[in-house]
Amino acid sequence: NAGVTQTPKFRVLKTGQSMTLLCAQDMNHEYMYWYRQDPGMGLRLIHYSVGEGTTAKGEVPDGYNVSRLKKQNFLLGLESAAPSQTSVYFCASSLRRGSNQPQHFGDGTRLSIL
Amino acid sequence: GEDVEQSLFLSVREGDSSVINCTYTDSSSTYLYWYKQEPGAGLQLLTYIFSNMDMKQDQRLTVLLNKKDKHLSLRIADTQTGDSAIYFCAETTTGGSYIPTFGRGTSLIVHP
Repeated sequence: NAGVTQTPKFRVLKTGQSMTLLCAQDMNHEYMYWYRQDPGMGLRLIHYSVGEGTTAKGEVPDGYNVSRLKKQNFLLGLESAAPSQTSVYFCASSLRRGSNQPQHFGDGTRLSIL
Repeated sequence: GEDVEQSLFLSVREGDSSVINCTYTDSSSTYLYWYKQEPGAGLQLLTYIFSNMDMKQDQRLTVLLNKKDKHLSLRIADTQTGDSAIYFCAETTTGGSYIPTFGRGTSLIVHP
């Protein structure tokens, strides 16, 4: 049981380049999330999805786009990378709507923008 | 609005007890969670408590909830060097989107 898998694990980009981070879960979870983690800032929610074909903005959505074409996958795109987007990105999923639905996290993607 | 606060650092000696504290502001909180993040890894659920409970114990972990003061604590008994990690407090509330709110995390450093 793989849980939540993030691809790639590391990436270095130049300013202005684009890339897509992939998150895949095999637990049939409805909800999926993208966070960024920066020193001293904790986790900040970028975008989330409450089901296949749906997406919603989180706390820090600017500069990112997402898509949830398949239930098991949640993609995070950077159209024109900026140094301020250097961070560790975490994907998470939870089973369904409800207050007792703990999140399951991937191991992160470490992204550096030069 | 929702806000979850934690102190950023805690240092303890191996074998001592660790107490990590968290305060939250939303009185409609239903479930409160503790997650552990080891270096280079994602967050893993440690334990959780429902808001109608005062205490929950699971082996070396004890969670205490004071609803009146909106204060949550995680006590780790007989702290080991393997407990060194970042600990996140999180809450979910009734109604709305059920998207959890996380604290900024407490870095626990255990000295041999």
